[in-house]
Amino acid sequence: QVQLQESGPGLVKPSETLSLTCAVSGYSINSGYFWGWIRQPPGRGLEWIGNFDHIGNTYYNPSLKSRVTISVDTSKNKFSLKLSSVTATDTAVYYCARLGPRWEAVVDYWGQGTLVTVSS
Amino acid sequence: EIVMTQSPATLSVSPGERATLSCRASQSVSSNLAWYQQRPGQAPRLLIYGASTRATGIPARFSGSGSGTDFTLTISSLQSEDFAVYYCQQYNDWPSLSFGGGTKVEIK
Repeated sequence: QVQLQESGPGLVKPSETLSLTCAVSGYSINSGYFWGWIRQPPGRGLEWIGNFDHIGNTYYNPSLKSRVTISVDTSKNKFSLKLSSVTATDTAVYYCARLGPRWEAVVDYWGQGTLVTVSS
Repeated sequence: EIVMTQSPATLSVSPGERATLSCRASQSVSSNLAWYQQRPGQAPRLLIYGASTRATGIPARFSGSGSGTDFTLTISSLQSEDFAVYYCQQYNDWPSLSFGGGTKVEIK
């Protein structure tokens, strides 16, 4: 059974960098699929942040691209999200996720989500 | 960017009745459309992909239809566990993915 678990600070100050990690169990990131991040502001809809494939290609939402970095540690079967220069509008539940290939790029496994609040 | 618009924002339905949810894309997404269900405090769950294919373990009362720009999710007979928020997602514009704003299905 594939499981994903987010971890990281729940509170980040404005202008600082948000950092989250996703630990994957039950499947090796190296074996395939796409892996990425999706967020959901409180009471609102879902927003795709970005994802990567098992050969190291990364793809980012154009609206966030200048501030986002997704990296992977295959030795630990984990991947990370960094979002710089955060503001209150970055307050959201952040989900890590497994996505299918480009012709079926849907999320079949989600983490439970972690709330990150941007506030001083 | 492809904008996904869902309607209505809220749908009030009695248990056992049919619910029909709509999703419209700002340009054609072919059949590259998925539906998710999100219950309060939970992550979304994949229901439908390819516009009409049910994901593993999804009951037959959930069905999807449409292609191009107009799509429908139908729940044939609402059960108590179906009252939730539903999102559509396009992946035709890969790698850019986008979601609709959601439809909340509430008890009438």
